Amino acid sequence: EIVLTQSPATLSLSPGERATLSCRASQSVSTSLAWYQHKPGQAPRLLIYDASNRATGIPARFSGSGSGTDFTLTISSLEPDDFAVYYCQQRSNWPLLTFGGGTKVEI
Amino acid sequence: QVQLVESGGGVVQPGRSLRLSCAASGFSFSGYGMHWVRQAPGKGLEWVAGIARYGESEYYADSVKGRFTISRDNSRDTVNLQMNSLRAEDTALYYCARDLWSSSSGWFDPWGQGTLVIVS
Repeated sequence: EIVLTQSPATLSLSPGERATLSCRASQSVSTSLAWYQHKPGQAPRLLIYDASNRATGIPARFSGSGSGTDFTLTISSLEPDDFAVYYCQQRSNWPLLTFGGGTKVEI
Repeated sequence: QVQLVESGGGVVQPGRSLRLSCAASGFSFSGYGMHWVRQAPGKGLEWVAGIARYGESEYYADSVKGRFTISRDNSRDTVNLQMNSLRAEDTALYYCARDLWSSSSGWFDPWGQGTLVIVS
């Protein structure tokens, strides 16, 4: 099983600041990595797939980078609506799909 | 508008069974793989099971293999999760999610709002 480790567990920032979230895989997943945003009481939302491709309707302030074992989700300037939990997910080991433990972005 | 609506959750005793359903609308259902993903209280997301477009392949997480069965009815645009031999650790909010693309992408988009299963 491919284990995804996200850091930090919590990120305390203010609106307008830059957020940098990390996801590390226990073995190479190439670019087979996605990022999701999850707010309480809402359905999770796909932000980024294939490491760096924004999903439909996702604002340009969200960007993904990385390959192999190290990946980054960057939110260039935090909006109030961006405070949420963010998860990475790999599909390299299809069909055994796994998520990271999440990073909470809080004010 | 693509919509996924889960139902069937509830409180069930350990060892018993429960069947979840997900009704899809707003897209060509038979053109996409479908999945179930869960979130235990205070925990992160865990992929549970997936099924190919025509039901020709099913996939399961090790934690549910042999106990859960995913199925779909393309004539009714629904995907189901039959959960047998339920355990306390199966307590979670269960989400239905569609594959991003018509081929099995392994990415989930969109998701439903979830249905809560409590095993106690």
